[in-house]
Amino acid sequence: EAGVAQSPRYKIIEKRQSVAFWCNPISGHATLYWYQQILGQGPKLLIQFQNNGVVDDSQLPKDRFSAERLKGVDSTLKIQPAKLEDSAVYLCASSLGTGGKTQYFGPGTRLLVL
Amino acid sequence: AQTVTQSQPEMSVQEAETVTLSCTYDTSENNYYLFWYKQPPSRQMILVIRQEAYKQQNATENRFSVNFQKAAKSFSLKISDSQLGDTAMYFCAFRTGANNLFFGTGTRLTVIP
Repeated sequence: EAGVAQSPRYKIIEKRQSVAFWCNPISGHATLYWYQQILGQGPKLLIQFQNNGVVDDSQLPKDRFSAERLKGVDSTLKIQPAKLEDSAVYLCASSLGTGGKTQYFGPGTRLLVL
Repeated sequence: AQTVTQSQPEMSVQEAETVTLSCTYDTSENNYYLFWYKQPPSRQMILVIRQEAYKQQNATENRFSVNFQKAAKSFSLKISDSQLGDTAMYFCAFRTGANNLFFGTGTRLTVIP
């Protein structure tokens, strides 16, 4: 069974530029999550999708971050414009559903904003 | 509010020895789930073990086992016969219902040859 795929693996941009990350969840997983992991900290949820609908985006800085999951499968996370403090690893995870279902994580995208 | 506390930022253990990583949490919920995830230098977050709060029996997965103390809100991870490949960051995480995972700040474990 293929795992969660993410691309790119690394990205370096200048502040005020825009960047987009892509995630392909495990086949059949209805729930998709984007986490931000700042160096030295645990991951923090940015947004949670159930199929193509948003379940929780309370921690998403909506003035600069946006995410979509148009067909209920792949998802993209965008930052525009990026700030220095956005430097982090962005992790995508998926699960069969909510509740106690185990979340499976992708390899992450490491973003460096200069 | 849901919080997860890992009080040991770093730990080390000799290869083949046993080590225990601590985790405490706080919640007013009665039904919840606890997880230990491992994150090696490659950054891929890997599930190590999970525990449902309604189950009294401690979960085990090969060399990994937990000591779940519901009244004390404690969820420690024991790694037996430590191997070099166990070197990683270990995160304790907690989830209720449809809520997202709350992670602790992690414990960096180094297995010494």
